[in-house]
Amino acid sequence: DAKTTQPPSMDCAEGRAANLPCNHSTISGNEYVYWYRQIHSQGPQYIIHGLKNNETNEMASLIITEDRKSSTLILPHATLRDTAVYYCIVRVGTSGTYKYIFGTGTRLKVLA
Amino acid sequence: DSGVTQTPKHLITATGQRVTLRCSPRSGDLSVYWYQQSLDQGLQFLIQYYNGEERAKGNILERFSAQQFPDLHSELNLSSLELGDSALYFCASSVGGLGTEAFFGQGTRLTVV
Repeated sequence: DAKTTQPPSMDCAEGRAANLPCNHSTISGNEYVYWYRQIHSQGPQYIIHGLKNNETNEMASLIITEDRKSSTLILPHATLRDTAVYYCIVRVGTSGTYKYIFGTGTRLKVLA
Repeated sequence: DSGVTQTPKHLITATGQRVTLRCSPRSGDLSVYWYQQSLDQGLQFLIQYYNGEERAKGNILERFSAQQFPDLHSELNLSSLELGDSALYFCASSVGGLGTEAFFGQGTRLTVV
């Protein structure tokens, strides 16, 4: 299964952009990159996903390199409520048998 | 609210006992996933069902089993419980198609004493 590598922790000033990197050098051509976050012990919250192109939604932007070996999640204006563990996931499998394999994630702390 | 409902929210039981955790997926979602998260640990994928059939297995112990019923709700059965089984158990659901996302419930916190 493809694996992801993320820095264990990052700090970001409130109001600034938070850029969270992820390495997925063994990703296969049809495997999507997903980002989730977990606040305290709540259920992981879906943020965004992409295959090749950059993606943007109301929560964040996802930048995927052309070779697809790495990606960056961007929270444009981080708030204190964005403090959480952020997981970068490569979804493996085929339709009906997908698996979301979580790594250790990045603990983002947004500082006032 | 993700639309995925897990019951109960909390469960305390003794070693050696058996418990059943329940998950109701979002309306229309065919895939259900179960995860275990021990204290300060990451989420471990246990098992996945699609439209009633087991489709993928992760690090699920033989003492654990799951099933997905015709109405698509799922149950995770944990038996011969040990202290180390104390954890948060999450269920997620998705439509299951290419490019779709999974949504997680709020989990069941199991404490084995």
